[in-house]
Amino acid sequence: DSGVTQTPKHLITATGQRVTLRCSPRSGDLSVYWYQQSLDQGLQFLIQYYNGEERAKGNILERFSAQQFPDLHSELNLSSLELGDSALYFCASSVDGGWNTEAFFGQGTRLTVV
Amino acid sequence: KNEVEQSPQNLTAQEGEFITINCSYSVGISALHWLQQHPGGGIVSLFMLSSGKKKHGRLIATINIQEKHSSLHITASHPRDSAVYICAVIRDDMRFGAGTRLTVKP
Repeated sequence: DSGVTQTPKHLITATGQRVTLRCSPRSGDLSVYWYQQSLDQGLQFLIQYYNGEERAKGNILERFSAQQFPDLHSELNLSSLELGDSALYFCASSVDGGWNTEAFFGQGTRLTVV
Repeated sequence: KNEVEQSPQNLTAQEGEFITINCSYSVGISALHWLQQHPGGGIVSLFMLSSGKKKHGRLIATINIQEKHSSLHITASHPRDSAVYICAVIRDDMRFGAGTRLTVKP
């Protein structure tokens, strides 16, 4: 158990809908990272937050947004969902905002858009 | 061409064999991570390297910054090592290889 909790584990929704994925980092970790893993594109970095502030942005679509709350949990919001958004979404956390620090991954949320 | 290339894509080994997975990258990096993804989907960070070599149990990771190459070795492989191994490089963010699917047969 990495200590990073993601909910829900599975989500099935229809095209055009909006969903929210939640991530609780390990106790004491200030940084949260979101990743998408799809069959055709593999793993991709989406966005990073550190202590409530956006720190780095990767290949995140405009239809997607995220935030980190004062209690350090984070939410990834996906809207106007398309079939191609079906993927595993991972959250990871680390103690600081640096990329050269070990990160701990959650078990992922499997999103299926039908 | 991807910035991060892994080889082989798939690897089948017999229990006890020595295994090597390679990662080559084409950009300047500050560090490289090796990740393990279990059949159930969960990801575990194995190593973070910026130079030299690291060892943890039966796993050894090396990196040659000048040659832009890293290797992950598994000694005395075991069926529980069966997983996808993913190399990720650090620049301003994290960029991933496509992964190597390892199957170790008893």
